[in-house]
Amino acid sequence: QQPVQSPQAVILREGEDAVINCSSSKALYSVHWYRQKHGEAPVFLMILLKGGEQKGHEKISASFNEKKQQSSLYLTASQLSYSGTYFCGTAGGTSYGKLTFGQGTILTVHP
Amino acid sequence: DTGVSQDPRHKITKRGQNVTFRCDPISEHNRLYWYRQTLGQGPEFLTYFQNEAQLEKSRLLSDRFSAERPKGSFSTLEIQRTEQGDSAMYLCASSLASGGLADFVSYEQYFGPGTRLTVT
Repeated sequence: QQPVQSPQAVILREGEDAVINCSSSKALYSVHWYRQKHGEAPVFLMILLKGGEQKGHEKISASFNEKKQQSSLYLTASQLSYSGTYFCGTAGGTSYGKLTFGQGTILTVHP
Repeated sequence: DTGVSQDPRHKITKRGQNVTFRCDPISEHNRLYWYRQTLGQGPEFLTYFQNEAQLEKSRLLSDRFSAERPKGSFSTLEIQRTEQGDSAMYLCASSLASGGLADFVSYEQYFGPGTRLTVT
């Protein structure tokens, strides 16, 4: 089943913070975060694995609550370049190798 | 490392025609994924390979869709008898996989630029 992202859209001014949430109804092994700019391919940001391991960019932080099957992406001191659509992708259950992506969160950062 | 490449970048075809897309993954990556993305939606999983083995195919994928990765390197996705509903961006991604076939997605996926298909 598709994970649910919230909010659907966020508007910020440069320097403000934002949190994007991803929730799943199934037991998760990993949560992946990607950012996609208009007309471009999704770009990897972060992986959070069951058991606590994380891999990703230094300036991006995220959390993974294994009991609640929820993940949050924290964007601090936002920059204009952060604008785009953020997707979480989840892996788990009986399907080993694929990611199921959420519907996306549109982030717009204004000067 | 030249990244994931896809060809063509754009394809316009008439309903009923067959189309084939190519994906060249990052050379050392053993997993290759195909996704479809429509406007305002996240990528939708179609199928994936580990080396040359096709391990899973979406139940949403009709028999008109077929994918191959004959030598475990590049992959092709063919759509037969295209319909207007097939119009979308077709994305390819590649990644590593650490263990055997029953290996959860624990490595990042690198996406190619996509092939935009328009069926008229």
